[in-house]
Amino acid sequence: DAGVIQSPRHEVTEMGQEVTLRCKPISGHDYLFWYRQTMMRGLELLIYFNNNVPIDDSGMPEDRFSAKMPNASFSTLKIQPSEPRDSAVYFCASRPVNSPTRVSGNTIYFGEGSWLTVV
Amino acid sequence: LAKTTQPISMDSYEGQEVNITCSHNNIATNDYITWYQQFPSQGPRFIIQGYKTKVTNEVASLFIPADRKSSTLSLPRVSLSDTAVYYCLVGVPYGGSQGNLIFGKGTKLSVKP
Repeated sequence: DAGVIQSPRHEVTEMGQEVTLRCKPISGHDYLFWYRQTMMRGLELLIYFNNNVPIDDSGMPEDRFSAKMPNASFSTLKIQPSEPRDSAVYFCASRPVNSPTRVSGNTIYFGEGSWLTVV
Repeated sequence: LAKTTQPISMDSYEGQEVNITCSHNNIATNDYITWYQQFPSQGPRFIIQGYKTKVTNEVASLFIPADRKSSTLSLPRVSLSDTAVYYCLVGVPYGGSQGNLIFGKGTKLSVKP
């Protein structure tokens, strides 16, 4: 399996521009997560989906951020308009469904991240 | 949500055993304890998970006392390549509570030659 695939790996954009980050989760995983990592705040959960449906978006910082998952193999995180304080590493992650009797499979698989710099 | 507290940083030397302790005083009955490792420029990856007592795999051991209010990740004979940030997470790893998996800032382990 290729793992969680994110694109772009690196992006530098000007303030006010729209940024779209893309993610392909591991096939068969029912949960997809978007995280943001900065030195100041650490690794923050922004939003997660279950079977393509957004479950909890309370971590999305503001209306400039939106995420979609049109199908089981693709998700996007969009920032419009972008601001310098949005500069961070954005990780996408996925995991399979587990049950109380199958906890041993409980791991979250992360992509390599999208490094965003807004100038 | 069960909050976790772990040291911000630790230093060690190659060949030593490293123990990183995480406090989770309000852990719930159904919560599991999971540790992740993150190398620079990479996403976190799963190391080990446990519910109680001791768990060991090829990478580390996890010690959980009877009251489960803390846990200790033990890395035997560390090498320079073990330099990373280590996260302790507490939560229910199944059902609808996926958002319980809060990473925080982790413990930055620096291994020196």
